Amino acid sequence: EIVLTQSPGTLSLSPGERATLSCRASQSVSSSYLAWYQQKPGQAPRLLIYGASSRATGIPDRFSGSGSGTDFTLTISRLEPEDFAVYYCQQYGSSPGTFGQGTRLEIK
Amino acid sequence: QVQLVQSGAEVKKPGSSVKVSCKASGGTFSSYAISWVRQAPGQGLEWMGGIIPIFGTANYAQKFQGRVTITADESTSTAYMELSSLRSEDTAVYYCARGVGGSFPEPGYFDYWGQGTLVTVSS
Repeated sequence: EIVLTQSPGTLSLSPGERATLSCRASQSVSSSYLAWYQQKPGQAPRLLIYGASSRATGIPDRFSGSGSGTDFTLTISRLEPEDFAVYYCQQYGSSPGTFGQGTRLEIK
Repeated sequence: QVQLVQSGAEVKKPGSSVKVSCKASGGTFSSYAISWVRQAPGQGLEWMGGIIPIFGTANYAQKFQGRVTITADESTSTAYMELSSLRSEDTAVYYCARGVGGSFPEPGYFDYWGQGTLVTVSS
């Protein structure tokens, strides 16, 4: 199975700053079948990005995804207070679908 | 608007089984994959398996093979996840989620999620 490693584990930033989250796969993710989710405490995950770079419905354009092969990035251009949460990447190009361990984005 | 509504919290004894339901509304239930994803307290997300109701065939993560059974009832637009031989490590929130953009048995990405069901395994 494909192992996804997210870095950093925790990212401390201030509102208005730019956030860059990384997701590295143990082998190439076919067809860039990589998604990103945001999860807040007590809530289900919310889909942000699919196909490595396509924003899901209703997701603000400050969220963007990029990458291919084994290296993927989620960028939040200007952090809003509601963006502080845990972020997970997921590959769905091969079974089993696997998730990264998450990056916690916290207020500095 | 698609909604996935799950059954309520459960407390189970070690060695027993639990069955969690996920009722869909607002979309075409049968032709989308439904997956089950769990999250232990303070931990990350773990895909357990999924099913496409119109085909009725389930695909499971190897870790759960033999212990999990995922089924779907098209007549009620409800998916089920049954986990047997429960142990304390199975204490987690269990989510159902609709999978799209994949080619079964790949699960796809998850655009709609249920609210989660807390299963507590304790003697």
